[in-house]
Amino acid sequence: DIQMTQSPASLSASLEEIVTITCQASQNIGNWLAWYQQKPGKSPQLLIYGTTSLADGVPSRFSGSRSGTQYSLKISRLQVEDIGIYYCQQASSTPWTFGGGTKLELK
Amino acid sequence: QVQLKESGPGLVQPSQTLSLTCTVSGFSLTSNSVHWVRQPPGKGLEWVGAIWSGGSTDYNSALKSRLSISRDTSKSQVFLKMNSLQTEDTAIYFCTRVLQWSYWFAYWGQGTLVTVSS
Repeated sequence: DIQMTQSPASLSASLEEIVTITCQASQNIGNWLAWYQQKPGKSPQLLIYGTTSLADGVPSRFSGSRSGTQYSLKISRLQVEDIGIYYCQQASSTPWTFGGGTKLELK
Repeated sequence: QVQLKESGPGLVQPSQTLSLTCTVSGFSLTSNSVHWVRQPPGKGLEWVGAIWSGGSTDYNSALKSRLSISRDTSKSQVFLKMNSLQTEDTAIYFCTRVLQWSYWFAYWGQGTLVTVSS
């Protein structure tokens, strides 16, 4: 199975700050990478797919990038509504696997 | 609009079989795949398995021996059955639909908590 190692596990940031979360794949997954946001008591929401494509309705302050087998989610100016847990997911091969999550809190 | 809703027992005894139903609306099961994803309380997400638009299935290899996913297209329902349940199977079970022609989980049900306990 492909392992997705996400870092950091938790992150505290201030409003308007730039936030970056990374995900390291254990092998080449190309651009088969998505990011999800989950708020307490809610289902995950798709943010970015295909490494860089923004899902419908997702603010443009979210962006995704890739360098080799390392993937990044960037929030350009953190807002209150961005607080939650973020997960990466690979869809290169089954079983599809998720990263362990990054809990984003306000400082 | 696209909707998915899980239903099933909240409590299952150890070694028993879990049966969950995902009732969908706003799309056809013969044109879209439906997946199951679970999340133990306070932990991360785990892909459980899928039933594809053609009716074939894929399962997480870690669960494959205990798992069965099927559907009734006339009722717009997808079924998950998992036997020999253990406490480690306690989780919120979500059914999800991918973006058309992709593997990205764009639509999610609200999830149903299944507790394995005697």
